[in-house]
Amino acid sequence: GESVGLHLPTLSVQEGDNSIINCAYSNSASDYFIWYKQESGKGPQFIIDIRSNMDKRQGQRVTVLLNKTVKHLSLQIAATQPGDSAVYFCAERSDYKLSFGAGTTVTVRA
Amino acid sequence: DAGVIQSPRHEVTEMGQEVTLRCKPISGHNSLFWYRQTMMRGLELLIYFNNNVPIDDSGMPEDRFSAKMPNASFSTLKIQPSEPRDSAVYFCASSLGGEETQYFGPGTRLLVL
Repeated sequence: GESVGLHLPTLSVQEGDNSIINCAYSNSASDYFIWYKQESGKGPQFIIDIRSNMDKRQGQRVTVLLNKTVKHLSLQIAATQPGDSAVYFCAERSDYKLSFGAGTTVTVRA
Repeated sequence: DAGVIQSPRHEVTEMGQEVTLRCKPISGHNSLFWYRQTMMRGLELLIYFNNNVPIDDSGMPEDRFSAKMPNASFSTLKIQPSEPRDSAVYFCASSLGGEETQYFGPGTRLLVL
C-alpha cells in the first residue's frame, strides 16, 4: 500500500548548525503535508505545513521544501538548538486522513 | 489557551479489565481523532468524528474497541476487555475541520499486564 517513509531514522547535529530532515511519500493524491515534532512523553506538536501547490514555505527558523516530481519533503532547521532534540514526523494528508512517517530522531550535540 | 486535554495520562491495568480513555478537544473544533502509537506500527488513526458523528472507524482494531462523542467537548475511547497487545500511547487530536491542522493532546500511556 501507499505509505510515508523517512530516509534516515536518526540525525546527530552540532548545536548552531543547520539540520535537514528528509521524507519520501508515495500518495500522489495527497494535497497537504505537515511536519510534527514530538518530544519525549508528549504528543506531536505542529511545526509547519505546506500545500501541494507550493514548493517552499518558511517559518521561524524552519523551512519546508516540497518536490512533487520525486515525491520528497524536507524540513530544514536553522541554527539548531538543544530544544530541537526530538522525533520529527512528516505526515501527508488525503481528505481528512493523515499518514505519518516512521519518524527521525534528532539529537543536538552541545 | 487550553490545548487538547486527555486523561488519565498513565494507566496500568490487568488483562481483561475495562479501560476508558477521555479527551476534551480544543473549544470550537468540530473534528476529533483518536490515534494509537506503538514502536512497531507508529501512529495509526483509530477513529475520526466530525460534529460528534463517527465518520471513519476503519482503524479500530476489533470489537473490543469502541469510541463515543456524546457532545462537542468530550469523547471516550473504551477497550473491553483489554489485552497486553493493547499497550501503547493513545492520542486524541482535534481540528477546526476535517481538513484543517490537527492538534494533539499529551496522550495516555496504557500498559496492560
